[in-house]
Amino acid sequence: AQSVTQLGSHVSVSEGALVLLRCNYSSSVPPYLFWYVQYPNQGLQLLLKYTSAATLVKGINGFEAEFKKSETSFHLTKPSAHMSDAAEYFCAVSGSNTGFQKLVFGTGTRLLVSP
Amino acid sequence: DAGVIQSPRHEVTEMGQEVTLRCKPISGHDYLFWYRQTMMRGLELLIYFNNNVPIDDSGMPEDRFSAKMPNASFSTLKIQPSEPRDSAVYFCASSFMGAAGELFFGEGSRLTVL
Repeated sequence: AQSVTQLGSHVSVSEGALVLLRCNYSSSVPPYLFWYVQYPNQGLQLLLKYTSAATLVKGINGFEAEFKKSETSFHLTKPSAHMSDAAEYFCAVSGSNTGFQKLVFGTGTRLLVSP
Repeated sequence: DAGVIQSPRHEVTEMGQEVTLRCKPISGHDYLFWYRQTMMRGLELLIYFNNNVPIDDSGMPEDRFSAKMPNASFSTLKIQPSEPRDSAVYFCASSFMGAAGELFFGEGSRLTVL
């Protein structure tokens, strides 16, 4: 079974500041890990994914995440926040036992960006 | 290419009524997922299909919920009878073998049961 825990339901940053959204995972098999973003009144879209290749993964819009097995973490970062980054972010995990197709999502972190 | 198309976008109904939500996946995708999103429970996987066959329906809340995929380009999620606690945003997503978990989501159907 797989699960993820997102620390902090809300994160507030100033425009230009570092963005750090935290995600810890639990998985009985080697995991695939994902970050999705949801803008208001829209569906989710993939930001980036880890599939057991490089541990540092780069995604769209300047976001990146690092897989740390020793810490069971997959935190999302962006060096400089932009107003357009304000959205809800979801971490997700899947495992080989479901062909990596069955994603389990975290509870989400809402990112607020102030001018 | 068109993305995942869901209808209706908004539905308001009264308790006890039947609700049918519809989804057209991206052409060529062979996986289809139904998720429910609420403030209290977040995103929950209800059911998913592979090649039109239900693979895992363990997330379907109860017998009032049913889902079908009669062909590769259409799926329905039906609630009968509906209850106020079914109020949520229902998302359909599609994917394909080799996508390694990349799901393509529709814009969702917001259901309100009064």
